[in-house]
Amino acid sequence: QSVLTQPPSLSAAPGQTVTISCSGSSSNIGNNYISWYQQLPGTAPKLLIFDNNQRPSGIPDRFSGSKSGTSATLGITGLQTGDEADYYCGTWDTSLSAGVFGTGTKVTVL
Amino acid sequence: QLQLQESAPGLVKPSETLSLTCTVSGGSINSSSYIWGWIRQPPGKGLEWIGAVYYVGRTFHSPSLKSRVVISLDTSKSQFSLRLRSVTAADTAIYYCARSDGSGTPDTFDIWGQGTMVTVSS
Repeated sequence: QSVLTQPPSLSAAPGQTVTISCSGSSSNIGNNYISWYQQLPGTAPKLLIFDNNQRPSGIPDRFSGSKSGTSATLGITGLQTGDEADYYCGTWDTSLSAGVFGTGTKVTVL
Repeated sequence: QLQLQESAPGLVKPSETLSLTCTVSGGSINSSSYIWGWIRQPPGKGLEWIGAVYYVGRTFHSPSLKSRVVISLDTSKSQFSLRLRSVTAADTAIYYCARSDGSGTPDTFDIWGQGTMVTVSS
């Protein structure tokens, strides 16, 4: 049972924008940096966002991250068919002294 | 370019101990710059953080698995390992090894192995 909650699925047409939420608590999102991962079918997760809103080299600026209080958001603009994937948030939980991941969101491009 | 490769038996019997190894190539495992972690994903389900090991040997473990997990580092072989004892069908999953930035907590993984499927069954 994950301590971070995400919507199970979202869908949008090509070119549109989707926002994925990640809800937690003061022991995790509220006091730690959040990261986001993209997992294409049959592949390992790929880091999209770290430290709330930073993109690793090579990640297009169509992907953005933000955090407010105990929630975080991943935004994807100009949606492409190649963005169809599962997306996970992740952070540290200070109470657990362990890393935690979100429940995951499946994004479908209509 | 740093690469991680997991190795493990594909099938483990219930109650036995699962042993996985992650081999690091193209870079040094013996650096304070990084932390080495394990994550798993049951079939059709989400990611689960298992634990991590610092280059000095300090480890962190998921509370739900802590009593069954041992994570270690072998710098001479550029490998780190995960041992999970008393496995059940619930431990069936794809197991990933990954690298985290050593400057913070081991929860952000920038390089991942391809993953290895482990099935627990008699």
